[in-house]
Amino acid sequence: GNSVTQMEGPVTLSEEAFLTINCTYTATGYPSLFWYVQYPGEGLQLLLKATKADDKGSNKGFEATYRKETTSFHLEKGSVQVSDSAVYFCALSLPSALYKLSFGAGTTVTVRA
Amino acid sequence: DVKVTQSSRYLVKRTGEKVFLECVQDMDHENMFWYRQDPGLGLRLIYFSYDVKMKEKGDIPEGYSVSREKKERFSLILESASTNQTSMYLCASSSFRGPSTDTQYFGPGTRLTVL
Repeated sequence: GNSVTQMEGPVTLSEEAFLTINCTYTATGYPSLFWYVQYPGEGLQLLLKATKADDKGSNKGFEATYRKETTSFHLEKGSVQVSDSAVYFCALSLPSALYKLSFGAGTTVTVRA
Repeated sequence: DVKVTQSSRYLVKRTGEKVFLECVQDMDHENMFWYRQDPGLGLRLIYFSYDVKMKEKGDIPEGYSVSREKKERFSLILESASTNQTSMYLCASSSFRGPSTDTQYFGPGTRLTVL
């Protein structure tokens, strides 16, 4: 079946540090890949997405590149801020699965001033 | 902007009570979803619906039912709440129309505690 594996947290960083959250997937076909973010006390928001191999999604200084050869979609940010403290979820969807989302377990990121 | 609202942010119920969680979206989306979120497990799909009166089981439907009488509203029902249903419940919607057919939009969540 379709599944997503992302690195376990929690991750604690200092402001201006580099952030990487690893995400790999297993899917039949060619999924769309997503990163969703959940700030404290809120629902999920779409952070970025990519729909085909070698696409790069970017938003708010975050980037992720769809790597078909390694079935990966790692999230990166060059210089994090306290306001980036949140839970980050990697997810995939497929037309064959009627666009239902399969989520990773989530990674909690805390950025300290 | 798409707006998905959920009837309560926090809810406390007793074991055995019937619980209704309501979700409303304002973008005329065909598709609506209910998830539960638990630490270390991510989001798991309970039920989803692709049209009014239609419903499909997700990965963990046991102990839940749903109702979709109107396009904009999708209700999750716990027929007899149990303590293992204490969780965060998230509603989402999406559309098969337009450029973002694969993107779901989420509500703020309802944190349900069953005592």
